[in-house]
Amino acid sequence: EIVMTQSPATLSVSPGERTTLSCRASQSVSNNLAWYQQKPGQAPRLLILGASTRVIDFPARFSGSGSGTEFTLTISNLQSEDFAVYYCQQYDNWPRTFGQGTKVEIK
Amino acid sequence: EVRLLESGGVLVQPGGSLRLSCAASGFTFFTHAMTWVRQAPGRGLEWVSSISGSGGSTNYADSVKGRFTISRDNSKNTLHLQMNNLRAEDTALYYCARDDSYSGNWYDYWGQGTLVTVSS
Repeated sequence: EIVMTQSPATLSVSPGERTTLSCRASQSVSNNLAWYQQKPGQAPRLLILGASTRVIDFPARFSGSGSGTEFTLTISNLQSEDFAVYYCQQYDNWPRTFGQGTKVEIK
Repeated sequence: EVRLLESGGVLVQPGGSLRLSCAASGFTFFTHAMTWVRQAPGRGLEWVSSISGSGGSTNYADSVKGRFTISRDNSKNTLHLQMNNLRAEDTALYYCARDDSYSGNWYDYWGQGTLVTVSS
């Protein structure tokens, strides 16, 4: 099983700032990585696929990068609606696995 | 509009059984793999099981293998999860999610979840 490790567990950020979330895979997943955003009481929403392709629902201030075992999600100019929990997920191998999540909270 | 509506979550005793369902609409159901993902209270997401578009290929997390069975009825656009020998650690909100493709990769649409509580 591929273990996905996200860091940090919590990020305290001020609105308007830029922040970077990390996701590491225990073995290479190529670029077969997705990011999801989850707000309290809501289902997760797909944000990034293929490690760097942003879905149309999300603005350009969200960007993903990386391949192999190291991935990052960058959020520029944080807005109030961006405070949420973010999960990475690999779809290179079975079983599919998620990271434990990074909570982005208001500083 | 893609819609996924889960049902079947209840309070059940340890060792009991439960069948979850997910009614899908707004897309051509058989052309997409489908997946169950769960989230224990206050915890992260855990992939549970996936099934291909035809239903001929299934995969399970080790934590549920041998106890849960995923299935689908493409004539009724419905996904199921048969859960047997339930344990306290199966307590979670169970989400139904649509895979991006026939064989499955990422999850582009999610339902709102159905709550399963395993407790005596």
